[in-house]
Amino acid sequence: SYVLTQPPSVSVAPGKTARITCGGSHIVTRTVHWYQQKAGQAPVLVIDYDSVRPSGIPERISGSTSGNTATLTISRVEAGDEADYYCQVWDSSSAHVVFGGGTKLTVL
Amino acid sequence: EVQLVESGGGLVEPGRSLRLSCTTSGFTFDDYAMSWLRQAPGKGLEWVGFIRSKTYGGTLQYAASVEGRFAISREDSKSIAYLQMNSLKTEDTAVYFCARMTHNWFDAWGQGTLVTVSS
Repeated sequence: SYVLTQPPSVSVAPGKTARITCGGSHIVTRTVHWYQQKAGQAPVLVIDYDSVRPSGIPERISGSTSGNTATLTISRVEAGDEADYYCQVWDSSSAHVVFGGGTKLTVL
Repeated sequence: EVQLVESGGGLVEPGRSLRLSCTTSGFTFDDYAMSWLRQAPGKGLEWVGFIRSKTYGGTLQYAASVEGRFAISREDSKSIAYLQMNSLKTEDTAVYFCARMTHNWFDAWGQGTLVTVSS
């Protein structure tokens, strides 16, 4: 089955740029989606189709993929960005949804 | 406004059954696949399964961890999706979310309902 690998944690100072990676074999050939989950809340879709921001998601949040890595980039990080972030793909070979293990973003 | 509300969670003994409901509003339920996902305490998100819309045959897919024990269904006339959970195990303890699927991602989520499997 397809596996997505995320770093458990990323720390960044306010105003700086956070980059959260999601590794998977030839992930560039798949479409990657990203979710933000704040403590005690349901996940929220922040990026779909690799780099598309749903309505209401700030332009500071962007997504990209290259080779075996997808990256979620959050510019000008704010305290309110502190959350867990998950990447997700569709594995067509198994017809299953696959999530990465999640990355906890800490704003210093 | 799109809304999804899960209900039916609670404490259940191992081996017993429980049925969760996902009541929706604010969108044309018939047009969407609906999915269930879960999150064990302190853990990440795990996809449980989904049911496609009737337009796509209402077909089902399940994660290996629940295949044969869990069953998803939908009642389009009431805009409700269900998750029937049988032969529950302690490792099924989690917050269960329902979510609306667009293509192969989840663009709207409920707040979740806690299921605790314990004797």
